[in-house]
Amino acid sequence: DAGVTQTPRHEVAEKGQTIILKCEPVSGHNDLFWYRQTKIQGLELLSYFRSKSLMEDGGAFKDRFKAEMLNSSFSTLKIQPTEPKDSAVYLCASSRLGGDTLYFGAGTRLSVL
Amino acid sequence: GEQVEQRPPHLSVREGDSAFIICTYTDSATAYFYWYKQEPGAGLQLLMSVFSNVDRKEEQGLTVLLNKKDKRLSLNLTAAHPGDSAVYFCAVSGGNYKYVFGAGTRLKVIA
Repeated sequence: DAGVTQTPRHEVAEKGQTIILKCEPVSGHNDLFWYRQTKIQGLELLSYFRSKSLMEDGGAFKDRFKAEMLNSSFSTLKIQPTEPKDSAVYLCASSRLGGDTLYFGAGTRLSVL
Repeated sequence: GEQVEQRPPHLSVREGDSAFIICTYTDSATAYFYWYKQEPGAGLQLLMSVFSNVDRKEEQGLTVLLNKKDKRLSLNLTAAHPGDSAVYFCAVSGGNYKYVFGAGTRLKVIA
C-alpha cells in the first residue's frame, strides 16, 4: 500500500505569495491531518478532516491558512499570503479513525523569504 | 488539556549501548500511545503503538513500557547502532482526533 504522499518536498516563496501544498492520504483512511512542525513549537495541528468534512481548523491558523479536501484521496493546504514566520515543515498524516495510528508523509519544507 | 513531557531532549550513546527515553502525560483517560522516529528530511515513522491494556511490548530491539499509575511511557532501544540516530517522539491520544506529541529526543549513536 502506498503511504501518505506530499508534494512538493520543498517550496520557496516570497513574502506575500500564495502557496498550495498537496497531500494524498493512505487509501481507505477516513481521517486526514495537517500539522506544522518547527523546532520551537513542535507539532501544531492546523486542520483535521473526517470523511472529507473539516472538523478542526486550527484556531490561530484560520486567517491565512485554508485546508480543503475535495475528495477522499486528495487534500490541499493553502497559505495566503505567506509570511516569513510560516517557514516550517508542513506534515500531512492520515489514519483509519481518530485515535488510530497516524501515518505521516515526508513533509513539505517551506521557506518564506 | 492533555500535556506530554518528554525527556531527555538530547541523548548520546555509544554503539551497542541502550538508549532510554521517557514521556509523562497528565490525562488518565489517555488510551493510545505511540512512538515515532523522524530522520532528517523525513516525516514521522511509526515505531510502535500500544493500547492502554498493555504494560510492555517488545519488537525488534525496542521495548515500550507503559505505567498507567504513574502516567509514564518509555522507549528503550537495546544495542543501538548509528542508523538509530534520529529524533524520537512519543504521542498520546484519548481515542479522538487529538494527538499530543512530546517535544522530541534527539538521539545520536556514536560508532
